[in-house]
Amino acid sequence: AQTVTQSQPEMSVQEAETVTLSCTYDTSESNYYLFWYKQPPSRQMILVIRQEAYKQQNATENRFSVNFQKAAKSFSLKISDSQLGDTAMYFCASLYSGNTPLVFGKGTRLSVIA
Amino acid sequence: DAGVIQSPRHEVTEMGQEVTLRCKPISGHNSLFWYRQTMMRGLELLIYFNNNVPIDDSGMPEDRFSAKMPNASFSTLKIQPSEPRDSAVYFCASRQQGSPNSNQPQHFGDGTRLSIL
Repeated sequence: AQTVTQSQPEMSVQEAETVTLSCTYDTSESNYYLFWYKQPPSRQMILVIRQEAYKQQNATENRFSVNFQKAAKSFSLKISDSQLGDTAMYFCASLYSGNTPLVFGKGTRLSVIA
Repeated sequence: DAGVIQSPRHEVTEMGQEVTLRCKPISGHNSLFWYRQTMMRGLELLIYFNNNVPIDDSGMPEDRFSAKMPNASFSTLKIQPSEPRDSAVYFCASRQQGSPNSNQPQHFGDGTRLSIL
């Protein structure tokens, strides 16, 4: 079975600092896609960033960037200049086939402290 | 464009009652997913549909749970009879399933918070 593992149940960071959330996955597929979702206290699930496995360049969306290490099957999320509004649960997810659901990790709860 | 629309946003009912959760996917999306989220178990996939056809319902916890998708713009998740342990947030999500190389993410509704007393 395909799996996604987030080994950090909780993390905290000071406002304006940088934090990295870890994610590893396990697949034998050659092509796949990876995503980070954010779930703030309002409970909405918001797509933060996505990465295609065939692209070597790491994806970036404003203050959010990923460190994609394909050989290590690692997909970490870096949040720069953390803001109070970044406080949320963050889920890593993978898509291995166009016709199957995303596989989600168990999430990392991030608290940004003023 | 309207996102995935779920109703109701909150539901409080007594155990034994029938509960029906509703979902309208994004227009043009041909896959729909139902999830349940609890503190203990996290985000669980209950069932998903491709082109209105149920593909995998192995996540449905018991026969008390059923889901239908009568057309491309509507789905329901029903619990009958409901029990306190069914209390959770239920999410619906939809996606455009394209080629095997499609990288379309799932778009989520705002969820229904269900409380069974």
